[in-house]
Amino acid sequence: GAVVSQHPSRVICKSGTSVKIECRSLDFQATTMFWYRQFPKQSLMLMATSNEGSKATYEQGVEKDKFLINHASLTLSTLTVTSAHPEDSSFYICSAREPTGGVGQPQHFGDGTRLSIL
Amino acid sequence: QQQVKQSPQSLIVQKGGIPIINCAYENTAFDYFPWYQQFPGKGPALLIAIRPDVSEKKEGRFTISFNKSAKQFSLHIMDSQPGDSATYFCAAISNTGKLIFGQGTTLQVKP
Repeated sequence: GAVVSQHPSRVICKSGTSVKIECRSLDFQATTMFWYRQFPKQSLMLMATSNEGSKATYEQGVEKDKFLINHASLTLSTLTVTSAHPEDSSFYICSAREPTGGVGQPQHFGDGTRLSIL
Repeated sequence: QQQVKQSPQSLIVQKGGIPIINCAYENTAFDYFPWYQQFPGKGPALLIAIRPDVSEKKEGRFTISFNKSAKQFSLHIMDSQPGDSATYFCAAISNTGKLIFGQGTTLQVKP
């Protein structure tokens, strides 16, 4: 089945640090990847849609200068949390959509990155 | 219009029981309805999915029932096991390809 790998699984760092999270589709090419944020005991909140070779589309209320997304290849998207502060601490999860069949195809998720800012 | 409403918020059943999780939507443009299973500290895993032209889909112990006219769908887990204890999310895919998640249901299956 479709496998999405996310790295690192956990990051603990000091306030003001920038943190990069990688999302890779291992056995398929993904022209579209998605980044979500999940707070404890809550549902997933879509942050942005990442399209290979073009600028990401951010959801309302998500700061694009705070959460930099790069999708430079068909198998890799990165999310950089710039100058992270304690309120950015959360569980970040990426997903990749299977390439065939248009927008109505399933998304496969990575195992998430637990970000803790001290 | 873009919401998917899920209930119950939590559910406890005995081993062998049949938990049922319900979801409802408003937007008739939704055309794909996946269910995801999430264990603590992990990302959601695709469990089973259905399109609105089908009223029921079964994969192993998991069954989706779909009522297009009522705009409702549900997940049934047959012969539930303690290993099924997890959080379950229903979802719908919009015509822009975005996944709209329900609020989630935390299931506990007691031995």
